[in-house]
Amino acid sequence: GNSVTQMEGPVTLSEEAFLTINCTYTATGYPSLFWYVQYPGEGLQLLLKATKADDKGSNKGFEATYRKETTSFHLEKGSVQVSDSAVYFCALSSGGYQKVTFGIGTKLQVIP
Amino acid sequence: NAGVMQNPRHLVRRRGQEARLRCSPMKGHSHVYWYRQLPEEGLKFMVYLQKENIIDESGMPKERFSAEFPKEGPSILRIQQVVRGDSAAYFCASSPDSGRGTDTQYFGPGTRLTVL
Repeated sequence: GNSVTQMEGPVTLSEEAFLTINCTYTATGYPSLFWYVQYPGEGLQLLLKATKADDKGSNKGFEATYRKETTSFHLEKGSVQVSDSAVYFCALSSGGYQKVTFGIGTKLQVIP
Repeated sequence: NAGVMQNPRHLVRRRGQEARLRCSPMKGHSHVYWYRQLPEEGLKFMVYLQKENIIDESGMPKERFSAEFPKEGPSILRIQQVVRGDSAAYFCASSPDSGRGTDTQYFGPGTRLTVL
């Protein structure tokens, strides 16, 4: 079956530090890959996505590249801000419809 | 265009009572998904519905849980005889089409169920 493994948090960084959150996956076929963000007390928002190998998703300074050879989709940002503090979920979907499989989430805390 | 709406946002029930969670998908979306987020865990798929049809309920507990998406009105997730282990955040998502793997699911703000 499908599965997503992401690094456990919490991750604490100083403002303007470089962020990497690792994510690897196991899936049948050719999945689409996603990063969702959940701010405190809110639902999930799509941050970025990639639908095929070597695609790079990007949004709000965040990037992730679909690496089929390493089955990875690591999230990066060059300079984090306090407002980026949230829980980040790596996810995938595959098959005939979009049943999404999520990782456990990584909590990011950015301190001034 | 309003996003996915869920109500109530917070629901408190005593053991043995029933919980009804409602989800209105985004305008133009005919596919609804329910997920459960247990404390300190990721989201787990529960059920996928189209109008008047359950397409995949492989993530639903076999007993006490049911879901519907009637022709008119919101999708309902119903939990009968709730137990403390049902305490979680329940998220609904919708998408415009299920045939393509690239369609994005849009999530509602969730309903946080607390069972006393």
